[in-house]
Amino acid sequence: QKEVEQNSGPLSVPEGAIASLNCTYSDRGSQSFFWYRQYSGKSPELIMSIYSNGDKEDGRFTAQLNKASQYVSLLIRDSQPSDSATYLCAVKEVKAAGNKLTFGGGTRVLVKP
Amino acid sequence: GAGVSQSPRYKVAKRGQDVALRCDPISGHVSLFWYQQALGQGPEFLTYFQNEAQLDKSGLPSDRFFAERPEGSVSTLKIQRTQQEDSAVYLCASSLDRNTEAFFGQGTRLTVV
Repeated sequence: QKEVEQNSGPLSVPEGAIASLNCTYSDRGSQSFFWYRQYSGKSPELIMSIYSNGDKEDGRFTAQLNKASQYVSLLIRDSQPSDSATYLCAVKEVKAAGNKLTFGGGTRVLVKP
Repeated sequence: GAGVSQSPRYKVAKRGQDVALRCDPISGHVSLFWYQQALGQGPEFLTYFQNEAQLDKSGLPSDRFFAERPEGSVSTLKIQRTQQEDSAVYLCASSLDRNTEAFFGQGTRLTVV
């Protein structure tokens, strides 16, 4: 079992709709959670970070964290064709000996005009 | 500089050749990560530095891979006797400290022929 799991997609949504992405993680020691967007051929770009249970909103993006259930999600409201990309969930566990940021395999999102 | 800088952007190596990939993190960033990303996959953790100390190298796939950050700033990932399976994009990321967001460079695409 991978440490961070995501549905690979593609998740196809019509323009203007809400895209909902989910991510589960296995390590209960995880403390920080991030969503990155990666366009084809480009490097990952940070779009959201969340550290405590609940919702965090930034523009059209909302991240949700539930540590008890070990999942984190991302909602994209009013989806635009420019949102078409792969979305990577990343989980950080801070340990005394290090600091490991682990990624899921990514969910590919396609927003159709 | 304004962001994480990696060089070269592209590298073609003949099988058996040694390569060195450079990462220049954001100024003042303590934490530095190296990742390997195969086509269609999420980034896979290779190694982590806190300043000049390599605190976690559990992701390095073999003893042909070596990373260093001697002065706590620029880092080099070296791959000896490259194999075809080493072909991937190598990503470097840095963060201000152990708890904050990591920002990625543009990556080095390595092709071993």
